[in-house]
Amino acid sequence: GNSVTQMEGPVTLSEEAFLTINCTYTATGYPSLFWYVQYPGEGLQLLLKATKADDKGSNKGFEATYRKETTSFHLEKGSVQVSDSAVYFCALSDDAGGTSYGKLTFGQGTILTVHP
Amino acid sequence: DGGITQSPKYLFRKEGQNVTLSCEQNLNHDAMYWYRQDPGQGLRLIYYSQIVNDFQKGDIAEGYSVSREKKESFPLTVTSAQKNPTAFYLCASRKSSVLSGNTEAFFGQGTRLTVV
Repeated sequence: GNSVTQMEGPVTLSEEAFLTINCTYTATGYPSLFWYVQYPGEGLQLLLKATKADDKGSNKGFEATYRKETTSFHLEKGSVQVSDSAVYFCALSDDAGGTSYGKLTFGQGTILTVHP
Repeated sequence: DGGITQSPKYLFRKEGQNVTLSCEQNLNHDAMYWYRQDPGQGLRLIYYSQIVNDFQKGDIAEGYSVSREKKESFPLTVTSAQKNPTAFYLCASRKSSVLSGNTEAFFGQGTRLTVV
């Protein structure tokens, strides 16, 4: 079945530092890829997405590029802020058919803490 | 405003009791999902439904049951057979993948269930 693997956390950075959170996936079809963010005690919010190879998703200074050759979708931000502290989830959906049809598969999440 | 609403926000259950978590959406989405979130384990899929009157087991369905009698509603029952039900439960919905392709999911704010 499909799976998503995120880099282990937690990640602790100083404000204005560069952020990378690694995400790799395995899928039988041609998935769409997503990054979600979760603030304490809340549900998940979509941060960005990419639906095909070489697409770049971007939002609020965050970026991720869909790399089919390396099956990766790493999240980056050039200068983090304290308000970026949250849990980040990489996810995929594979709607091309097969046993994973309609499912959304998530990574284990990466806790990010940004200090002033 | 359209959205997805979970209730209650906090729920306490005694040993041996069944409890039902509510999930309602007014986004006109066909697909709905239930996830369980435990610390350090990310989101695990309990059940999902692509259309009314149809649903499939996810990865950890044992001890849970669902129904999908209306498009807007996807309640989750945590039965006494679930041995470790204390967790954060998240409901999500999205457009039908058959018609709309790989679309993102929208999440509720979650229900925190505690066994006392």
